[in-house]
Amino acid sequence: AQSVSQHNHHVILSEAASLELGCNYSYGGTVNLFWYVQYPGQHLQLLLKYFSGDPLVKGIKGFEAEFIKSKFSFNLRKPSVQWSDTAEYFCAVSTGTASKLTFGTGTRLQVTL
Amino acid sequence: DTAVSQTPKYLVTQMGNDKSIKCEQNLGHDTMYWYKQDSKKFLKIMFSYNNKELIINETVPNRFSPKSPDKAHLNLHINSLELGDSAVYFCASSPLMTSGRFNEQFFGPGTRLTVL
Repeated sequence: AQSVSQHNHHVILSEAASLELGCNYSYGGTVNLFWYVQYPGQHLQLLLKYFSGDPLVKGIKGFEAEFIKSKFSFNLRKPSVQWSDTAEYFCAVSTGTASKLTFGTGTRLQVTL
Repeated sequence: DTAVSQTPKYLVTQMGNDKSIKCEQNLGHDTMYWYKQDSKKFLKIMFSYNNKELIINETVPNRFSPKSPDKAHLNLHINSLELGDSAVYFCASSPLMTSGRFNEQFFGPGTRLTVL
């Protein structure tokens, strides 16, 4: 069974700082990778996704992620965070044609002014 | 023009009661899901239905019974509620791509269940 690890549980950054959140998965076959964001009190929204092709994926709100197959990683980046990026960030994976999404434990990002 | 909606948004009830949460999607998706998010924000899939048929059942106590009357609705009924059932329950839906892969999942606003 696949699993997803997010090693950063709580990240605190000042506005304009650069962000990188780690995500590693364990599965040897075809994977579909996602980053979701959950703003306080809200539902999950998709930031970006990777199925195939260019391993550098650009998403909404200036976020991007890079799929590195050899490292089983799909790290999320943003060059300059804003206070409004304060939220919980979840990495998720599905495998092949399976519908099930396996989520990481989430990273709480707190951006200070 | 809500995509995935859930009712109720909040549910407070006593241990031992039976309750239902409803989910509807107007996106035309074939597949719907229930997830449970615990107090530590960990999200875990509970059930998935594709065209009204159960395709995922993840070691969930049989007090939880999903029902899909049609592919736009997936309801969750919980019998004999326990304290540990307190959580936020999210419904989601996704389309099936022509490649056979399931595309991104669209989540509802969540139902915060509190069992006293």
